[in-house]
Amino acid sequence: DIQMTQSPSSLSVSIGDRVTITCRASQSISTYLNWYLQKPGKAPKLLIYAASRLQSGVPSRFSGSGSGTDFTLTISSLQPEDFATYYCQQNYNMALTFGGGTTVEIK
Amino acid sequence: QITLKESGPTLVKPTQTLTLTCTFSGFSLTTDRVSVGWIRQPPGKALEWLALIHWNDDKHYSPSLKNRLTITKDTSENQVVLTMTNMDPVDTATYYCAHRGIYSNYVWFDPWGQGTLVTVSS
Repeated sequence: DIQMTQSPSSLSVSIGDRVTITCRASQSISTYLNWYLQKPGKAPKLLIYAASRLQSGVPSRFSGSGSGTDFTLTISSLQPEDFATYYCQQNYNMALTFGGGTTVEIK
Repeated sequence: QITLKESGPTLVKPTQTLTLTCTFSGFSLTTDRVSVGWIRQPPGKALEWLALIHWNDDKHYSPSLKNRLTITKDTSENQVVLTMTNMDPVDTATYYCAHRGIYSNYVWFDPWGQGTLVTVSS
């Protein structure tokens, strides 16, 4: 299986801060990487697919970058509704795997 | 608009077989390149992909759970069924079904059902 490692596991930030979350794959996955947001008690929601493509309806403050083994999700200016847990997921092969999650909390 | 909803027991006993149904609308599993997947999430833990079924009845399973899982579809009822045998308390989780989106060779899950919490306990 391809292991996906996210860092940090949690971070405390303030409204308006720039937030960067990283995801590292145990082998090269080209750009076969998705990002999801999950709020407590809710199902995950797709933010980014193919490493950098913004899903329709997702605010432009979210962006993704990277290829190979290292990927980044950036929130340019954190909004109140962005406090949540973020997951990366690889689809390089059909043994799909998710990262362990990064929880963004209010400072 | 695509919607999915999971249904099934909320409590199962250890060693029993779990059967979950995903009922969907807004798409058809007879359409080319359409797929539905199952993902679970133990309380307070990360997401874990379980299985995926495709429009052509191809199936993929998590390697670590492959021996316990079976995924099937009923296209006339717009349903996908997941069975998991030999349930254990560690299988306690919220189980989600999701529509698989696709662009070129890229795939993702969107949207997801609301999830159903399954507790394994005697």
